[in-house]
Amino acid sequence: NAGVTQTPKFQVLKTGQSMTLQCAQDMNHNSMYWYRQDPGMGLRLIYYSASEGTTDKGEVPNGYNVSRLNKREFSLRLESAAPSQTSVYFCASSLDSPSYNSPLHFGNGTRLTVT
Amino acid sequence: DQQVKQNSPSLSVQEGRISILNCDYTNSMFDYFLWYKKYPAEGPTFLISISSIKDKNEDGRFTVFLNKSAKHLSLHIVPSQPGDSAVYFCAASESEPGTYKYIFGTGTRLKVLA
Repeated sequence: NAGVTQTPKFQVLKTGQSMTLQCAQDMNHNSMYWYRQDPGMGLRLIYYSASEGTTDKGEVPNGYNVSRLNKREFSLRLESAAPSQTSVYFCASSLDSPSYNSPLHFGNGTRLTVT
Repeated sequence: DQQVKQNSPSLSVQEGRISILNCDYTNSMFDYFLWYKKYPAEGPTFLISISSIKDKNEDGRFTVFLNKSAKHLSLHIVPSQPGDSAVYFCAASESEPGTYKYIFGTGTRLKVLA
């Protein structure tokens, strides 16, 4: 069982370039999330998708867009990368909302550097 | 304003002894709490959770305690092993239907000394 798979593992972008981070889960989970981790800041929610066909903003959505392509896949797009978006990005999924005691399952992350 | 706080950035413990990691929260609506463990270059791995209807939950060497009146939870690892050396994150959420926001603390780096 692969769980949550993220691609790529590493990426270097120049300021202003665009890219899409890909995420897929094979656990038949309904909900998917994108987090970023910065030193001293913990994990902060960028966007989430409660179910296929829906997406909502998290704590730090500015500069990002997302697409829930189907139940398995949830992508994160940076339209015009900025150095402040240098971070480690984690995709996660959960069976459902916390009301069902539904923990998050994380991928191994994408380390993004914007120069 | 951080709603979930882990005030100890690091902790060192001797192998075989107890490790106690602490977490405080400010939002009284939080009623579902989780602990995650993270090794370098890997994603966080779910360890254990507790809902607010309980004050303790055990899973093998890991026990989570919840003190709702103090808005405090702790993770006990007994006995600690070198493989437990990692960063530990606590997280909290409201278990209200339609709520999907898990709020994370900044993490505590645990080092278990052999």
